Amino acid sequence: QVQLVQSGGEVKKPGSSVKVSCKASGGTFNNYVISWVRQAPGQGLEWMGGIHPILGTPSYAQKFQGRVTITADESSGTGYMELSSLRSEDTAVYYCAREGYCRSTTCLFYGMDVWGQGTTVTVSS
Amino acid sequence: EIVMTQSPATLSVSPGERATLSCRASQSVGSNLAWYQHKPGQAPRLLINGASTRATGIPARFSGSGSGTEFTLTISSLQSEDFAVYYCQQYNNWPPTTFGQGTKVEIK
Repeated sequence: QVQLVQSGGEVKKPGSSVKVSCKASGGTFNNYVISWVRQAPGQGLEWMGGIHPILGTPSYAQKFQGRVTITADESSGTGYMELSSLRSEDTAVYYCAREGYCRSTTCLFYGMDVWGQGTTVTVSS
Repeated sequence: EIVMTQSPATLSVSPGERATLSCRASQSVGSNLAWYQHKPGQAPRLLINGASTRATGIPARFSGSGSGTEFTLTISSLQSEDFAVYYCQQYNNWPPTTFGQGTKVEIK
């Protein structure tokens, strides 16, 4: 059974960037869309974006366009989410999750069935 | 962007009672809807996808129904481990995907 293992917590200064990794363990995420979701303190779940495993093309929520970069390295089975120009409102727990299965360019979505353990990012001066 | 609205925000229920949670989409999402359970300090857990299909290992007391714009998650007899926040998510025409704001199920 595949697990997604995320990198450890980070403390960042406002204006800086953070890069969180998500590695598949016990399997692969080849052929699966990997998405990133965050939860700020006291708030709900918020989808940030995801990446098509075969095309390698990311899609982003409009709110994060221009600030987030999602990539994946299939050879190492690791996904990455980089968020730039950090502000205090970006303090949150960031999750990666497996969201859809793709064959060629067509993907079947079925919800997020495998999640990473979460990475806490704190933005503070 | 499709907006998902959940109600109520908080539901107070006694153990053993039935809980009914609602989720409404701003436009039709067909059956492309999932429900999650989220507890503090844990990752969300997929309960239901396809609006009504229980995910692997999910107890039968959880059931989902609805299609189009109106959806319901029912927990038939609440157990102590069911007190948590529940989210609905639509994944119709990805991207994007959107979540509701959540319903907290608390002990009455």
